Amino acid sequence: AQSVTQLDSQVPVFEEAPVELRCNYSSSVSVYLFWYVQYPNQGLQLLLKYLSGSTLVKGINGFEAEFNKSQTSFHLRKPSVHISDTAEYFCAVSGSGGYQKVTFGTGTKLQVIP
Amino acid sequence: DAGVIQSPRHEVTEMGQEVTLRCKPISGHNSLFWYRQTMMRGLELLIYFNNNVPIDDSGMPEDRFSAKMPNASFSTLKIQPSEPRDSAVYFCASSLTEYEQYFGPGTRLTVT
Repeated sequence: AQSVTQLDSQVPVFEEAPVELRCNYSSSVSVYLFWYVQYPNQGLQLLLKYLSGSTLVKGINGFEAEFNKSQTSFHLRKPSVHISDTAEYFCAVSGSGGYQKVTFGTGTKLQVIP
Repeated sequence: DAGVIQSPRHEVTEMGQEVTLRCKPISGHNSLFWYRQTMMRGLELLIYFNNNVPIDDSGMPEDRFSAKMPNASFSTLKIQPSEPRDSAVYFCASSLTEYEQYFGPGTRLTVT
């Protein structure tokens, strides 16, 4: 079984500042890792995913994440945030290969301050 | 494509009533998921269908919950009888691969 921990429930950041949202996972097998974004009153949307290969993964809206196997982390970063990035961000993990249940973290609310 | 469609978007019902939530997945997707989101428990997988067959229903809370997928373009999640603790946002998601799910807008259920 896998688990994922998002230590920060809320992250306030000023507009145009950089941001990092932290995610740590636990698994005894190879994993796929994901970041999803949820805007108010909407469903989740996939931002980026790590399946294999390069540990630096680029996603939509200028976000990127780095898979660190030794630290079992998959932190999400953006060099300069916009007001429109205000949303809740979910880290998720699943085992690799075939159907594997996706386990979601508890979410981090990013608040971009003008 | 219109994306995953869920109806209704909001449902308010009284305790003891039957509630039916509906989902139309993206055309061509062969996997469908029902999730429940609450402040206390976060996002939980209730049931997963592949090619219209339930594969993983370990997350279904109890016998009051049931889900069906009679064909590739329609699924229902039924709660009978409903209880106040069932109040949550229910999401349907569909996918073509095991690593990318497309979520619908959700149904906000309030049981009074």
